[in-house]
Amino acid sequence: AQSVTQLGSHVSVSEGALVLLRCNYSSSVPPYLFWYVQYPNQGLQLLLKYTSAATLVKGINGFEAEFKKSETSFHLTKPSAHMSDAAEYFCAARRQSGTYKYIFGTGTRLKVLA
Amino acid sequence: DAGVTQSPTHLIKTRGQQVTLRCSPKSGHDTVSWYQQALGQGPQFIFQYYEEEERQRGNFPDRFSGHQFPNYSSELNVNALLLGDSALYLCASSLSQTNTEAFFGQGTRLTVV
Repeated sequence: AQSVTQLGSHVSVSEGALVLLRCNYSSSVPPYLFWYVQYPNQGLQLLLKYTSAATLVKGINGFEAEFKKSETSFHLTKPSAHMSDAAEYFCAARRQSGTYKYIFGTGTRLKVLA
Repeated sequence: DAGVTQSPTHLIKTRGQQVTLRCSPKSGHDTVSWYQQALGQGPQFIFQYYEEEERQRGNFPDRFSGHQFPNYSSELNVNALLLGDSALYLCASSLSQTNTEAFFGQGTRLTVV
């Protein structure tokens, strides 16, 4: 069965430091992959998506992610953290065909220290 | 352009009661999916509606049912509420079932007491 694993339920970084949030997927066929951000008491906002095109995907707010099939990973990075990046981040996967539901990881809460 | 809108934003119900949550998809979107997000967890897929029919269903009991109207808006109904149904319920819309990107609403926070 398809699954998404996010390593680290809580991550703390200093303002200006590199942000790295980890995501691994389990699927016999590479799925479409997504990163969403959720601010307190809000819904999910799409940061970026991988849909079988370029393996390095750039998203909003300076975030990017690289799809690595050999490692079944889709880690999210940002070169320099900003206080406004503090939020919950979810990695999600969806099969390319046959079923269109999203499978979400359990989320990583990012804390940015001044 | 209004995005996905959900109502109400919060509500409190008693065990055993029934609840109806509503969702208006993003303009032009014809597919609506519902997710349950328990506290501290990622969203879990409940079901998806397209052309007014339930097309896919996650691992949720029959107490969870839905409906899609001709204008593509949707309702999620939960009967015989349990304490464990307390969660944030998210609606997501997309253009056709095969579209790769889903847009999420702000959610409805349901508390069962």
